[in-house]
Amino acid sequence: AQSVTQLDSHVSVSEGTPVLLRCNYSSSYSPSLFWYVQHPNKGLQLLLKYTSAATLVKGINGFEAEFKKSETSFHLTKPSAHMSDAAEYFCVVSGYNTDKLIFGTGTRLQVFP
Amino acid sequence: ETGVTQTPRHLVMGMTNKKSLKCEQHLGHNAMYWYKQSAKKPLELMFVYNFKEQTENNSVPSRFSPECPNSSHLFLHLHTLQPEDSALYLCASSQDLGAGPSKAQYFGPGTRLLVL
Repeated sequence: AQSVTQLDSHVSVSEGTPVLLRCNYSSSYSPSLFWYVQHPNKGLQLLLKYTSAATLVKGINGFEAEFKKSETSFHLTKPSAHMSDAAEYFCVVSGYNTDKLIFGTGTRLQVFP
Repeated sequence: ETGVTQTPRHLVMGMTNKKSLKCEQHLGHNAMYWYKQSAKKPLELMFVYNFKEQTENNSVPSRFSPECPNSSHLFLHLHTLQPEDSALYLCASSQDLGAGPSKAQYFGPGTRLLVL
């Protein structure tokens, strides 16, 4: 069975400082992993997706995530936060032979000026 | 964001009304999904369609009735809803139901539903 745990429900950073949103996964098979972002009153937007080709995945808006199998983690990072990054972020895992995506409970990112 | 569109964006309905939500994807995908997003609850998968055939019904009450006339369009017909059905209903599509990156789902902006 697959599952995903987002370790922080809220993260607050100052504009211009680094962002770290933590995610741990559990999967019986080699997982597919994704990060989505949801701005207020909007749908979910795909930030990045993990392929087995590279453990460091670059996404849109300067975000990236590193797949670490030994730690079963897929943390999302950005070197410098912008005010427009304030949103809810979801870590998502899918197993090898299932069409279901398993969503984490989300991390709300606040960015202060 | 124009890859998957949903209408209406907002809907208020009484418990005896019948209404429909519409989703259209312009990405050439084969699979489409309905999700329910309620406050303070994880995203709930409701229905999955692949090549117009329903492959998943996640124990959804019969007052929600999906329809998928082709791979580009998905409807959710609503009747005799309850106040607890108030939520954001999200439509998504993916290239197919296979493994790996093709599972990536692309979401519409959602329909905010309020049942009075």
